[in-house]
Amino acid sequence: GQQLNQSPQSMFIQEGEDVSMNCTSSSIFNTWLWYKQDPGEGPVLLIALYKAGELTSNGRLTAQFGITRKDSFLNISASIPSDVGIYFCAGLGRAGGTSYGKLTFGQGTILTVHP
Amino acid sequence: ETGVTQTPRHLVMGMTNKKSLKCEQHLGHNAMYWYKQSAKKPLELMFVYNFKEQTENNSVPSRFSPECPNSSHLFLHLHTLQPEDSALYLCASSQDASGRGETQYFGPGTRLLVL
Repeated sequence: GQQLNQSPQSMFIQEGEDVSMNCTSSSIFNTWLWYKQDPGEGPVLLIALYKAGELTSNGRLTAQFGITRKDSFLNISASIPSDVGIYFCAGLGRAGGTSYGKLTFGQGTILTVHP
Repeated sequence: ETGVTQTPRHLVMGMTNKKSLKCEQHLGHNAMYWYKQSAKKPLELMFVYNFKEQTENNSVPSRFSPECPNSSHLFLHLHTLQPEDSALYLCASSQDASGRGETQYFGPGTRLLVL
């Protein structure tokens, strides 16, 4: 199925550094979601974006819904060891209709934080 | 705790066994989903149920049989599986399967190993 282009694929950073990752698509989406997945666990919803241009924060996390509706980014400030995991973006609701629950996922960004 | 629970968390079965995975959501949602996540592959949508009706079967082999007796419970019945079916099986729920209500919340998953 279709995927979103998520980058970078992996990041190795020092504790305290800021992190930025993004997703782009050739399709327009009505909703962008960001999830974090720990090994052996299910994805946990971090931030949901429903409006083009929307900028939303959740603690040290900030995400934006691109104005073109074809991209989104996630920033993590002052990273800590527990930020380690895989981060996924997902798009919903292509323009012109509902996606009937079909999430389109990015490939994931593997984040490693060195103490 | 996302409000979506899955049991069992781990399952080992032989190719001739019959087993069932259970998912329960405590969020008052009306749509439920089954996903398969294999190593180094993106999440694959298997089935979508909206108000107890199956609305999506993503070309899943018949050895996987879903059941949705009510909006809070979803089962995945397994029989005569193959080793390549070993994966993390994730359940998710959303308010419904259209528009903003499609934001999905995942359970912790069942790690399945088929011998």
